[in-house]
Amino acid sequence: QLQLQESGPGLVKPSETLSLTCTVSGGSISSSSYYWGWIRQPPGKGLEWIGSVYYSGSPHYNPSLKSRVTISVDTSKNQFSLWLSSVTAADTAVYYCANANNMIPARWYFDLWGRGTLVTVSS
Amino acid sequence: QSVLTQPPSVSAAPGQKVTISCSGSSSNIGNNYVSWYQQLPGTAPKVLIYDNNKRPSGIPDRFSVSKSGTSATLGITGLRTGDEADYYCGTWDYSLSAWVFGGGTKLTVL
Repeated sequence: QLQLQESGPGLVKPSETLSLTCTVSGGSISSSSYYWGWIRQPPGKGLEWIGSVYYSGSPHYNPSLKSRVTISVDTSKNQFSLWLSSVTAADTAVYYCANANNMIPARWYFDLWGRGTLVTVSS
Repeated sequence: QSVLTQPPSVSAAPGQKVTISCSGSSSNIGNNYVSWYQQLPGTAPKVLIYDNNKRPSGIPDRFSVSKSGTSATLGITGLRTGDEADYYCGTWDYSLSAWVFGGGTKLTVL
């Protein structure tokens, strides 16, 4: 059974780059059926999709974050990672890694989530 | 402000039925599949409904969805205190080329 686990610093300074990794266990990240990505939730607020990427490429990013976001997959480690540059306090949130089940974005649904990790942006 | 509009909160008594609406447009709900998520306090979201009206294994048939035009509605029957949670709709938006979530609805079981 697939499981996802986020890891990374819980505190990032303003203007620096946030970096998180999601480790996939119980299966291969190279599965042909999934996109792998990130969703965040500021404290007390709703969910915001950050982006999703197929293991061999084809990233899809939220247009509002696209200029600052990179998501990549490391098949050798069965991990995928998020980089968000030039962070501000507005980027403080719980970050979830999640898989999008389906190859077609119009048919995506997120059926597997990590437990989430709180990242605070503060000096 | 979210592309998909949900009521901020709904409430009903145990055993009753409640509905949660999700309103969008032709670029999202009107032409794409909708999924719904339940987020219990302090936990990660969990998919309740996908492909408009399909339930993953383990999700009871107390949860159902109807879709009409550019809106979708989640219905929950036989309410239990354990159903108290935040509920989110989501879908792909062709115009934005992005996945979008509704703003979320907090369900209170009185």
